[in-house]
Amino acid sequence: KAGVTQTPRYLIKTRGQQVTLSCSPISGHRSVSWYQQTPGQGLQFLFEYFSETQRNKGNFPGRFSGRQFSNSRSEMNVSTLELGDSALYLCASSYGTQNTEAFFGQGTRLTVV
Amino acid sequence: GNSVTQMEGPVTLSEEAFLTINCTYTATGYPSLFWYVQYPGEGLQLLLKATKADDKGSNKGFEATYRKETTSFHLEKGSVQVSDSAVYFCALTGAAGTASKLTFGTGTRLQVTL
Repeated sequence: KAGVTQTPRYLIKTRGQQVTLSCSPISGHRSVSWYQQTPGQGLQFLFEYFSETQRNKGNFPGRFSGRQFSNSRSEMNVSTLELGDSALYLCASSYGTQNTEAFFGQGTRLTVV
Repeated sequence: GNSVTQMEGPVTLSEEAFLTINCTYTATGYPSLFWYVQYPGEGLQLLLKATKADDKGSNKGFEATYRKETTSFHLEKGSVQVSDSAVYFCALTGAAGTASKLTFGTGTRLQVTL
């Protein structure tokens, strides 16, 4: 069974640009969550989608958005990039939303210059 | 809100030494508790979990017991190997008892030498 796939693995963008990251969950999983990992702030929850609906949202500005498609694949978008958005963005999938294990992808390393 | 406190790293041990990484938490309700491991350049891998008080999670020689009275979930391994060198994260679920929002500790880097 394939794991969680995130694309691209690495990305370099310029300040002010926007970026879209993609996540394909494990087959059969309907919940997808996104996390930002930085040396200073650690791992922080961005948002979670289940059956194409956003169920939870972390404390991030509106420049961070996401969506989920009917096949459970998810994308997150960051507009008007800032240097501080440089981070490892991790996607996690789980079967449901009640005490089920979350499986993480390898992440997308975003560098904003 | 929920929070997780882990011991500061790095932790440097010789191969075959005993490992303890402390983790305490603050949460409302009855969260599930997890240990994740991150190897260089990789995402997070679930190492073990416990879903209720007194549960013991175990995997690959690692163990942790859910202690509600001390709000702790310390990670232990009797004999570490060089291949265990990684960053270890303690985490818990959101207050609703779902796995949809994990709160992580700051991570503890473990380095094992020969």
